[in-house]
Amino acid sequence: EMQLEESGGGQVKPGGSLRLSCVVSGFTFSDYTMTWVRQVPGKGLEWVSSISSNSNYIDYADSVKGRFAISRDNTKKSLYLHMSNVSAEDTAVYFCARVRGIPQSWFDPWGQGTLVTVSS
Amino acid sequence: QSALTQPPSASGSPGQSVTISCTGTSSDIGAYNSVSWYQKHPGRAPKLMIYEVTKRPSGVPDRFSGSRSGSTASLTVSGLQAEDEADYFCSSYVPGSSSPYVFGTGTRVTV
Repeated sequence: EMQLEESGGGQVKPGGSLRLSCVVSGFTFSDYTMTWVRQVPGKGLEWVSSISSNSNYIDYADSVKGRFAISRDNTKKSLYLHMSNVSAEDTAVYFCARVRGIPQSWFDPWGQGTLVTVSS
Repeated sequence: QSALTQPPSASGSPGQSVTISCTGTSSDIGAYNSVSWYQKHPGRAPKLMIYEVTKRPSGVPDRFSGSRSGSTASLTVSGLQAEDEADYFCSSYVPGSSSPYVFGTGTRVTV
């Protein structure tokens, strides 16, 4: 069974930093592009960032560019999102997901998410 | 890239059908066969229901179907069941855009 488990969420002050992790099992992690998507409670989904299988290609949403950094460790089957200089607008549940398709256009499966709350 | 437009809510009785629209533009939904749909129950992981406009992943009941007309994609749930009550989000892949993945505003389906 494929599983993705996020961790690292919590409360952080504005301007602070946080690192999210996503540990994967049930598929060959190193074969796939991975992504982070977030959802403000009660609102829609927003794509945050993606990283290719070998980390050669990385992309960010304009809203997080320059503040967030995505990375991965294929030996640990883990995906990371380092968040810095956070603001209230970054408060959301953060999901990791595997990217599928040619072109890489859909996400499956997803983790259950980890909540990040930015508050003083 | 602006969010795709979905109706906030839709409803139907058990056994009935409901169709959710997802309206974009000729630059996203209308341009690529890259529309996907996700089901989201509170507190649970989003689940892929449809990909590439009409394709259904294994394990997803054939009560779920996808279609597209011009710049509007649709998800139809036939034979509504209680467990179909959830939020549904569409998504379009837009290569070359500053934000290659754009999601819909979401639709709460009530059974």
